[in-house]
Amino acid sequence: EVQLLESGGGLVQPGGSLRLSCAASGFTFSNYAMNWVRQAPGKGLEWVAAVSGTGGSTYYADSVKGRFTISRDNSMNALYLQVKSLRVEDTATYYCGKVTYHYGSGIDSWGHGTLVSVSS
Amino acid sequence: QSALTQPASVSGSPGQSITISCTGTSRDIGTYNYVSWYVQHPGKAPKLMIYDVGKRPSGVSSRFSGSKSGNTASLTISGLQADDEATYYCSSYTRTSTYVFGAGTEVTVL
Repeated sequence: EVQLLESGGGLVQPGGSLRLSCAASGFTFSNYAMNWVRQAPGKGLEWVAAVSGTGGSTYYADSVKGRFTISRDNSMNALYLQVKSLRVEDTATYYCGKVTYHYGSGIDSWGHGTLVSVSS
Repeated sequence: QSALTQPASVSGSPGQSITISCTGTSRDIGTYNYVSWYVQHPGKAPKLMIYDVGKRPSGVSSRFSGSKSGNTASLTISGLQADDEATYYCSSYTRTSTYVFGAGTEVTVL
């Protein structure tokens, strides 16, 4: 059974940084691209970033480009999102998700999310 | 990247069929057969219902079907049930190698 478990969220001041983590199990992690998707309180889903199975290719939404960095450690079955220069509008639950079979297709497994709150 | 356009709400009676539209552009839905649909119940993570326009993941009821014509994709729920009441999101791959979501459609079972 595929399991994804996010951690690392918390309360941070504007301009601050956090490192989100996603521990994966139940599948061959290195075979799949992985995504981060966020959801502001009471709002819809927003795709944030993705990384290829090897980690060699990364992709970002315009809203986070230059501030967020996605990475993975296939030896640890772990996905990361380094978030910097945080803004109030970055407040959201951050989900990690695994693609169905290749990048571009749907996200078939989701974690339960980790909440990032940006406030002074 | 602009969000895909979905109706804010759709409703139907138990047993009826409803269709949710999702309109994009030639930069996303119109070019790629990588449209997905997700359902999200309050306080829960999203769940994939349809991928690659019309494919259903294992375990998803055949009452859910997807299609696409031009820049618009659609999700049809047939035999509407009370527990179908939730928010549904569409998503598409885009020309800039990113994903874009719709704003979500609240489905109400009357």
